[in-house]
Amino acid sequence: DTGVSQNPRHKITKRGQNVTFRCDPISEHNRLYWYRQTLGQGPEFLTYFQNEAQLEKSRLLSDRFSAERPKGSFSTLEIQRTEQGDSAMYLCASSKGLAGSTDTQYFGPGTRLTVL
Amino acid sequence: SQKIEQNSEALNIQEGKTATLTCNYTNYSPAYLQWYRQDPGRGPVFLLLIRENEKEKRKERLKVTFDTTLKQSLFHITASQPADSATYLCALDTNAGKSTFGDGTTLTVKP
Repeated sequence: DTGVSQNPRHKITKRGQNVTFRCDPISEHNRLYWYRQTLGQGPEFLTYFQNEAQLEKSRLLSDRFSAERPKGSFSTLEIQRTEQGDSAMYLCASSKGLAGSTDTQYFGPGTRLTVL
Repeated sequence: SQKIEQNSEALNIQEGKTATLTCNYTNYSPAYLQWYRQDPGRGPVFLLLIRENEKEKRKERLKVTFDTTLKQSLFHITASQPADSATYLCALDTNAGKSTFGDGTTLTVKP
């Protein structure tokens, strides 16, 4: 399977713990995105990378959230001191990121986070 | 403020009929618009993309229209099947990197 993969698929944690999610994009894709989705809502943009550079961060991304994409390949999203309000599906997407062109994003299956 | 609205109610139709889903937006100037399908517990799957200078796009039983004057896109599924039951998301893109999604419309096709 050459699609976007995310691990773990499910994570249950206690409030105050740190969690880290991983995303492996489609191999030739330059851009990688993180979104958060809660029940009944559409995906909300969190941040995106062009290769290894983090180009934009949403104001939804508090200082407890950090994302990295070392070497422009896989990415990790870490949430420190989790709160119950962090419970959501965290979606990763990747795209070719070609300048001046349409840029379809391909999504992974998501990581479902439950904070108790 | 910027806003994207999809059909506020879930849409229930009979198998074989045409489903029409609406995406309205305000305070955006999208370069293109995309429609995705999302099944419960899964990530969105890309269906169709339409550019601001295109009026209509088709793919098999799917058709998308884009009216930048009305600030509206319509998504049609003809000859609908129970397997088409899912949530359909529209997303606006401004060539600035990220997509902005609506909250989706849940379609149920009854046999």
